[in-house]
Amino acid sequence: EAQVTQNPRYLITVTGKKLTVTCSQNMNHEYMSWYRQDPGLGLRQIYYSMNVEVTDKGDVPEGYKVSRKEKRNFPLILESPSPNQTSLYFCASSSGQGYNQPQHFGDGTRLSIL
Amino acid sequence: DAKTTQPTSMDCAEGRAANLPCNHSTISGNEYVYWYRQIHSQGPQYIIHGLKNNETNEMASLIITEDRKSSTLILPHATLRDTAVYYCIAVKTSYDKVIFGPGTSLSVIP
Repeated sequence: EAQVTQNPRYLITVTGKKLTVTCSQNMNHEYMSWYRQDPGLGLRQIYYSMNVEVTDKGDVPEGYKVSRKEKRNFPLILESPSPNQTSLYFCASSSGQGYNQPQHFGDGTRLSIL
Repeated sequence: DAKTTQPTSMDCAEGRAANLPCNHSTISGNEYVYWYRQIHSQGPQYIIHGLKNNETNEMASLIITEDRKSSTLILPHATLRDTAVYYCIAVKTSYDKVIFGPGTSLSVIP
């Protein structure tokens, strides 16, 4: 089944403790992206990647890191999490084949930083 | 990207067609109209997209006006599982970030 898989789905942690949220897709998609969703603010893009070893900042990259060493994986790293990074996070992927293809989203990761 | 506007909320009786409107009066010629939905806090789900012509798939139909300034998503036989927030957006390429506005909260009523 074609899917985008995020882990963990839920995490409660403390300020300053490094964490990684993994994202994997099995559709051979070139494009991957991370979003956070907060009440009243909608979906905001954190980082995106056009292909392996190619990443760029989205609208709210501060406090986050990403890497794209393999096509299927795009982990989101919080080196020193803070309470304002408490949010619902989504990973998405899209194929670059054809002029316009939809983005496929994972089921989300709910992070609580205390 | 063009700004889209949608009604805040709508109700629909179970089994009836749900018609969700979207205005995108500033859409440019190379922007596609996309519809996604989000059920509770699950990951947004792609529904359908189109450029000029009306489109239909197993989930829904998309009707785009001739001037492309508005569109309507049609769920032909709404079920309780279609209760969700529906987002209409305009994007140019596969790599455009997805920017969701408030969307339309659709409630399907038994």
